Amino acid sequence: DAGVTQSPTHLIKTRGQQVTLRCSPKSGHDTVSWYQQALGQGPQFIFQYYEEEERQRGNFPDRFSGHQFPNYSSELNVNALLLGDSALYLCASSLRRAGILGETQYFGPGTRLLVL
Amino acid sequence: SQQGEEDPQALSIQEGENATMNCSYKTSINNLQWYRQNSGRGLVHLILIRSNEREKHSGRLRVTLDTSKKSSSLLITASRAADTASYFCATDDIYNQGGKLIFGQGTELSVKP
Repeated sequence: DAGVTQSPTHLIKTRGQQVTLRCSPKSGHDTVSWYQQALGQGPQFIFQYYEEEERQRGNFPDRFSGHQFPNYSSELNVNALLLGDSALYLCASSLRRAGILGETQYFGPGTRLLVL
Repeated sequence: SQQGEEDPQALSIQEGENATMNCSYKTSINNLQWYRQNSGRGLVHLILIRSNEREKHSGRLRVTLDTSKKSSSLLITASRAADTASYFCATDDIYNQGGKLIFGQGTELSVKP
């Protein structure tokens, strides 16, 4: 049973550039959430995708955008990178069916982004 | 912004001892979950306790929940060096069931052999 996978594992960008991070959910899951974790902090919710639509969004600027594909995989895009965007980006998957809300979110290994 | 606060921020114990970590939160919740993170890698789900439960066990883990005090504790019994990691509590509040998790700052546990 494949778990949550993310790519790439590490990434170095410079200020002003754009980045795309990718996530494949755990087998059988249909919902993907993205989190940003700064060094020494707990993860902070960016947004959640279900049925190819953004369902919830945290307190992040519009520079952060996402997409979910028909196979439930997802991308996180960040435009106009700032130094403060350096962090570990975590993807989590869960199952949300009609009448059932999957409570447990399963996390991938993360993508470590460094902005210089 | 973080909802949860965890206490202590760091904990160092000897192998075989018990480790207790506490978490406080602010809103009404649907459930509270504990996760472990090794060296800045992905989070591993440990245990989930629902708002109508008071205590839950899983192997060497015991979690308690006091919704009147908006607090939870995680007890790891007979700790091992492999338990060295950061531990986070996360809440799923009643207005966002199955949605965003709100994490605390974490407790960094060091278990010395």
